[in-house]
Amino acid sequence: QQQVKQSPQSLIVQKGGISIINCAYENTAFDYFPWYQQFPGKGPALLIAIRPDVSEKKEGRFTISFNKSAKQFSLHIMDSQPGDSATYFCAASGLTGAQKLVFGQGTRLTINP
Amino acid sequence: GAGVSQTPSNKVTEKGKYVELRCDPISGHTALYWYRQSLGQGPEFLIYFQGTGAADDSGLPNDRFFAVRPEGSVSTLKIQRTERGDSAVYLCASSPGQGRDTQYFGPGTRLTVL
Repeated sequence: QQQVKQSPQSLIVQKGGISIINCAYENTAFDYFPWYQQFPGKGPALLIAIRPDVSEKKEGRFTISFNKSAKQFSLHIMDSQPGDSATYFCAASGLTGAQKLVFGQGTRLTINP
Repeated sequence: GAGVSQTPSNKVTEKGKYVELRCDPISGHTALYWYRQSLGQGPEFLIYFQGTGAADDSGLPNDRFFAVRPEGSVSTLKIQRTERGDSAVYLCASSPGQGRDTQYFGPGTRLTVL
């Protein structure tokens, strides 16, 4: 059973535009929601993370919006740059099941110059 | 400082063979995780160590998969009687402790079973 659903699978944005990636989860026990960025041949790297006690978190050009009642969260990349071209994964973890992360299927983001 | 390292970076083996994949976590990190990432998919959890013990092995797909961390640092993922379906990138991650710490991933080992 897929517990974190991510969309879209791929996304093309013009340089300077806003990239938006969405995730939905099912397990209400999840209480930690990170976003990871992965470049080809590399492991995922943490980009930004949020807990459900806040509805938004911003770090530089990256913002997470969180909607607890809808069980949805999204990543917004402002002023997207060609160097942002990568695969992005949302993830979730909860108090049970140790610290294991449940990942979405990923979004391949391409920023056109 | 040094990040998580994994060896080998690539491993090609034949169906039925035994393989070992190694993970060197960030020095001082007590928590260590193994994930498996199939092509075009997100990583899937396999096993989590806190110190030397496997705190959660619920993600291991079957008894052909086994992992150890005898001294609480380096970990080895062992796969017996490999099958073509085991082909994937095996990722290792570590974090400082038991709290909700950031998981730092290594570059992965790409396993190909012919």
